[in-house]
Amino acid sequence: DARVTQTPRHKVTEMGQEVTMRCQPILGHNTVFWYRQTMMQGLELLAYFRNRAPLDDSGMPKDRFSAEMPDATLATLKIQPSEPRDSAVYFCASGLGQGSNYGYTFGSGTRLTVV
Amino acid sequence: DAKTTQPNSMESNEEEPVHLPCNHSTISGTDYIHWYRQLPSQGPEYVIHGLTSNVNNRMASLAIAEDRKSSTLILHRATLRDAAVYYCILRAAGNKLTFGGGTRVLVKP
Repeated sequence: DARVTQTPRHKVTEMGQEVTMRCQPILGHNTVFWYRQTMMQGLELLAYFRNRAPLDDSGMPKDRFSAEMPDATLATLKIQPSEPRDSAVYFCASGLGQGSNYGYTFGSGTRLTVV
Repeated sequence: DAKTTQPNSMESNEEEPVHLPCNHSTISGTDYIHWYRQLPSQGPEYVIHGLTSNVNNRMASLAIAEDRKSSTLILHRATLRDAAVYYCILRAAGNKLTFGGGTRVLVKP
């Protein structure tokens, strides 16, 4: 089965450091999502892209978070500077775009701990 | 986004059917009903979706009320591997998924 690949799987960093998470969507998928999951808030949508263009990033703290798709095979989520409250599991998902009703495929996540 | 309401948790015995209800009284005509599940320490996984008619696949069945204001995900024979959080989500074609709290399913051996 095709997979969404996320790296790293785990990341521990000190407060104030820059963190970059990467996602390789399934080949041919043109829609990419970033979600964050915490015990308190559950799964929250941070941002999503279609054909590499950002469609909605309203869920993302703009002052420290940024999301990009340098090319169709790579999506990145960057936090600078990181804070302890950013500790969470970050998921990437990909799927077919507008008009499609197929399910989205999620990666295994990046577990981020900021100390 | 239209909202869904699910019970917080349900228990089932192994090899028995599980019926997971979902209420979505504000569903619009273009919303599809999607179900995802999240196994422990994994990302969400697509289970099934439908619009008006009942749907079956290898994982589950989806029964949709005639007025579309509610639906039920049916796991025909629960196994220990089906223990997960199950999310019912309304989604317009190609649009984002907005997750609620889901239903935590416990399967007892």
